[in-house]
Amino acid sequence: NAGVTQTPKFRVLKTGQSMTLLCAQDMNHEYMYWYRQDPGMGLRLIHYSVGEGTTAKGEVPDGYNVSRLKKQNFLLGLESAAPSQTSVYFCASSGGTANEKLFFGSGTQLSVL
Amino acid sequence: LAKTTQPISMDSYEGQEVNITCSHNNIATNDYITWYQQFPSQGPRFIIQGYKTKVTNEVASLFIPADRKSSTLSLPRVSLSDTAVYYCLVGASGYSSASKIIFGSGTRLSIRP
Repeated sequence: NAGVTQTPKFRVLKTGQSMTLLCAQDMNHEYMYWYRQDPGMGLRLIHYSVGEGTTAKGEVPDGYNVSRLKKQNFLLGLESAAPSQTSVYFCASSGGTANEKLFFGSGTQLSVL
Repeated sequence: LAKTTQPISMDSYEGQEVNITCSHNNIATNDYITWYQQFPSQGPRFIIQGYKTKVTNEVASLFIPADRKSSTLSLPRVSLSDTAVYYCLVGASGYSSASKIIFGSGTRLSIRP
């Protein structure tokens, strides 16, 4: 049982390049989330999904897009990367019922030059 | 949305009991209080959750007074491996609350030998 798996673990992009981060969970969770964490800061919610085929904006959605075509996968896309998007990205999932705890992946360190 | 306030940092020594207090004056009736632990280069990990009074598990205890406007995470006999950032979250998960799972800056706990 792998839990929440994120790929890749590290990535370096040039400004303007695009990329997709993949999050996969094997716990049959309904809810999935993408957060970003800047140095010394807490996590900020980018986008989330409450079920297959649904997505919604979080606190800091600009510059990102997401898709949830399959229940177990949640993709985060950067269409035109900017240096301000240099951060650590964490994916999480939860069952979605009242007060379910979040399970996090190990993160993706993204640097945009 | 209930905002939380917790100390930015705390220091302690191995073998001591550590108490981290979180203030949440605007907690709603159906909100739970949840604590997460984050080690460097890892995603946050669930520690404990409670609604009122006291909750204890194999890792920590959570004390919640009757007015629920604050909570205290208690770590008994800490070791060097307890050095981490601890986040206090207040909210209720579920469809209408998925976007409201907000992580603050957390408390950076440093344990010395």
